[in-house]
Amino acid sequence: EEQLVESGGGLVQPGGSLRLSCAASGFRVSSSFMAWIRQVPGKGLHWVSIIHKTADTWYADSVKGRFTISRDNSENTLFLQMNSLRPEDTAVYHCALGITMPRVTEYFHHWGQGTLVTVSS
Amino acid sequence: SYDLTQALSVSVAPGQTATITCGGHNIGSKNVHWYQLKPGQAPLLVIYRDTNRPSGIPERFSGSNSGNTATLTVTRVQAGDEADYYCQLWDTDSGVVFGGGTKLTVL
Repeated sequence: EEQLVESGGGLVQPGGSLRLSCAASGFRVSSSFMAWIRQVPGKGLHWVSIIHKTADTWYADSVKGRFTISRDNSENTLFLQMNSLRPEDTAVYHCALGITMPRVTEYFHHWGQGTLVTVSS
Repeated sequence: SYDLTQALSVSVAPGQTATITCGGHNIGSKNVHWYQLKPGQAPLLVIYRDTNRPSGIPERFSGSNSGNTATLTVTRVQAGDEADYYCQLWDTDSGVVFGGGTKLTVL
């Protein structure tokens, strides 16, 4: 069974950096469509970044140039490097495993519980 | 950008039917997915591609999509169904889009 476990969240000052990890089991990250999706308290879900099995990546405009998604195939782990953090980046960050049907739809059938990132001075 | 509109809250008594809607321009032409979020738990996919239930999701959960509204219906509502529910779709221009979420309260 597919499982996802996030780690790496915490309290960071504005302008700081964090690296989130998502340890995967039951499937190979190298051949999967995966995403980071954040849950802002009281403001719902928002996708942050996506990586296809081809290693092509996409970023929401709000994080473009500051966040980098990557994966380590040997560790079977997904990462999100977050730089130049802002207070509005405060959220619970979930990694998710999904399905993509090119130019038709994308959705996520397994999620991790998430890791809390708080950006505050 | 493509916007999805959900009511903030829906309340139903146990055993009754909850109807949660997701509005969007010509949403019936797109594939809509629904997630259940409970505090401290991983989000759960309950409906994918408008009407399909993943393995393990009770038959009480069903979906439909037509015109400008997609709908998640939960029949014979139980206390354990209390959660936030989000619709989601993929749009050519906007990518992955989530609705604002609806809080289902079981009275």
